[in-house]
Amino acid sequence: QKEVEQNSGPLSVPEGAIASLNCTYSDRVSQSFFWYRQYSGKSPELIMSIYSNGDKEDGRFTAQLNKASQYVSLLIRDSQPSDSATYLCAVSAPDLFGNEKLTFGTGTRLTIIP
Amino acid sequence: KAGVTQTPRYLIKTRGQQVTLSCSPISGHRSVSWYQQTPGQGLQFLFEYFSETQRNKGNFPGRFSGRQFSNSRSEMNVSTLELGDSALYLCASSFGLAGSSYEQYFGPGTRLTVT
Repeated sequence: QKEVEQNSGPLSVPEGAIASLNCTYSDRVSQSFFWYRQYSGKSPELIMSIYSNGDKEDGRFTAQLNKASQYVSLLIRDSQPSDSATYLCAVSAPDLFGNEKLTFGTGTRLTIIP
Repeated sequence: KAGVTQTPRYLIKTRGQQVTLSCSPISGHRSVSWYQQTPGQGLQFLFEYFSETQRNKGNFPGRFSGRQFSNSRSEMNVSTLELGDSALYLCASSFGLAGSSYEQYFGPGTRLTVT
């Protein structure tokens, strides 16, 4: 089982609709969760971080964390064509030696259809 | 505040050669992590340096090495290059250790092509 799993997509969403991106993780002790956006040919850009259960809102973005179910999601409201990108989920967890390590999912490719 | 910078941005090397990549973190950030990104494998963690010490290492062969200087700048070296080393190499910096709730910011990357 992969440590961090995301649906690779592509996920197509009409402009103005809500895009919902999901991520599951395997390590129950994970404490820090991040969402990155990566445009084609560019480097990942941090858009959200979340550390406790519940919702965290930032503009059109809402991150949702459920540690009991081991999933974290990202909602994008009023989707715009400029939101078309690959979204990477990153989760921290200790490795075999107790060192905290950030593990990335393979990303979900999102396409907003005008 | 300036972001993470990486040099060079593009590099073409021949099999068997070695290469050194450089990364300057955001001012005040003490942790630098290196990642390899390929279409097939996604973002793979190479290693993390904090206060000039390697704190964490991914599953890469010993040909991949790095170091961090007292000003937090970091270099990554790949020796005896193989075709499979062609990738985007990303550096990311954070104030504290990357896995311990500190947000990590990426540089623009170095695109390495091995022929």
